[in-house]
Amino acid sequence: ETGVTQSPTHLIKTRGQQVTLRCSSQSGHNTVSWYQQALGQGPQFIFQYYREEENGRGNFPPRFSGLQFPNYSSELNVNALELDDSALYLCASSSAGTGDYGYTFGSGTRLTVV
Amino acid sequence: TQLLEQSPQFLSIQEGENLTVYCNSSSVFSSLQWYRQEPGEGPVLLVTVVTGGEVKKLKRLTFQFGDARKDSSLHITAAQPGDTGLYLCAGVYGQNFVFGPGTRLSVLP
Repeated sequence: ETGVTQSPTHLIKTRGQQVTLRCSSQSGHNTVSWYQQALGQGPQFIFQYYREEENGRGNFPPRFSGLQFPNYSSELNVNALELDDSALYLCASSSAGTGDYGYTFGSGTRLTVV
Repeated sequence: TQLLEQSPQFLSIQEGENLTVYCNSSSVFSSLQWYRQEPGEGPVLLVTVVTGGEVKKLKRLTFQFGDARKDSSLHITAAQPGDTGLYLCAGVYGQNFVFGPGTRLSVLP
């Protein structure tokens, strides 16, 4: 079975721009979550999608938005990029709605905002 | 304020030594998970503990869930350089899945 794949792997954007990050979930998984991981810190929960509906959101502003598609792949969109948005963005999928059985993570997208 | 606290933050030991890292919370979790993350990669699930007092072993790694389901520990016996990485605990809190800040372990040959 294929794992979680994320694209692109690296990205450099200018402050104020918009960015879209993509994630293909593991086969059979219907839940996708997005995390932001700053250097030297643990991942911070952004939001989760379950069967195409947002199913929980962390403490991130509305300029962070997402989508989940019928094939359970997902996008993370960030508008009006700020320097502090520079981080590793991780996508994780699971087969349970709440992730009690563990998540499978992708390798992440390293976003640098200059 | 972190829902999950981890200690120590950093740990550097020699190959062959034993170590324990801790994950603590004031909240009760239905389950806790431990992940290991290497540089440039996403976290990889090591174990899920569900029952208070539960102990699980994975080769040289022993995981324990506290009786009250508020804390967990990870013990590594005879650490090897391949154990180097960021160890993260995580759990379901309400509708969200939250991580601790991690313990960065370095095992020197």
